[in-house]
Amino acid sequence: QVQLQESGPGLVKPSETLSLTCTVSNGSISTYFWSWIRQPPGKGLEWIGYFYYTGSTNYNPSLKSRVTISADTSKNQISLKLSSVTAADTARYYCARGSAPVYWGQGTLVIVSS
Amino acid sequence: AIQMTQSPSSLSASVGDRVTIICRASQDIRNDLGWYQQKPGKAPKLLIYAASSLQSGVPSRFSGSGSGTEFSLTISSLQPEDFATYYCLQDYKYPYSFGQGTKLEIK
Repeated sequence: QVQLQESGPGLVKPSETLSLTCTVSNGSISTYFWSWIRQPPGKGLEWIGYFYYTGSTNYNPSLKSRVTISADTSKNQISLKLSSVTAADTARYYCARGSAPVYWGQGTLVIVSS
Repeated sequence: AIQMTQSPSSLSASVGDRVTIICRASQDIRNDLGWYQQKPGKAPKLLIYAASSLQSGVPSRFSGSGSGTEFSLTISSLQPEDFATYYCLQDYKYPYSFGQGTKLEIK
C-alpha cells in the first residue's frame, strides 16, 4: 500500500523558511490530492493546503501569503515551504493523500527557535 | 471559513459503554464530513467518511450520522483500544477545517 515519509530540518530559526519533503512510495503522485496538515504540540489539527497533480493548489488563508506546496514528479515527492516562520509554526507536520485523507505519513516535528 | 465545533471536548467512559461525540458546522456542509481517531504519537486514522460511511477495516462498533450542520460519531461498545482523541473534518469547502478534538479517557 502507499507509504508517505516526511523529511526536513527539525529546527528552523525565526524569520527563516521551513522546507519539508514528502516522499511517496508504492504509488504515483500523478493522481490524487496531496495535503499538508500540521499539529502544534498538545493541540489540534490544522489543514495547511493541497497540491493536485494537475498543478492546482489551495491554501489555508491563515497561511496563504507564506505557504507554497509543489511537487517533483521525477522524485515522486511533494514539498512544503513556509516562509517567515515564528514560534507559532512549531508543530508536527504531516503529509497525507486525499482531501479527507486515508493515508498519512508519520509526521515530522519542526521546532522554530533561535 | 467554516468553523467546526466538537462536543464534548473531553469524555470519561468505561469499557463497554456507548458514547457519542457531536460535531457542528457553522454552515451547511451536506454530508462532507469525516471522523478521525488519533492516538498519542501517531497520525490520525480515518474512521468514517461522507458522514456515515465506514472506512474499510474499521470495526463496526463505530458509526456516523448526520447531514447539514450536525453530525455525530457513536461507538457502540467501547473497547480498551478506543481510548484516544477524535476529530471531525469538513471537506465541503476550502479551507478544510477540523474540530478541536474530543479526548476520550478511561473512567
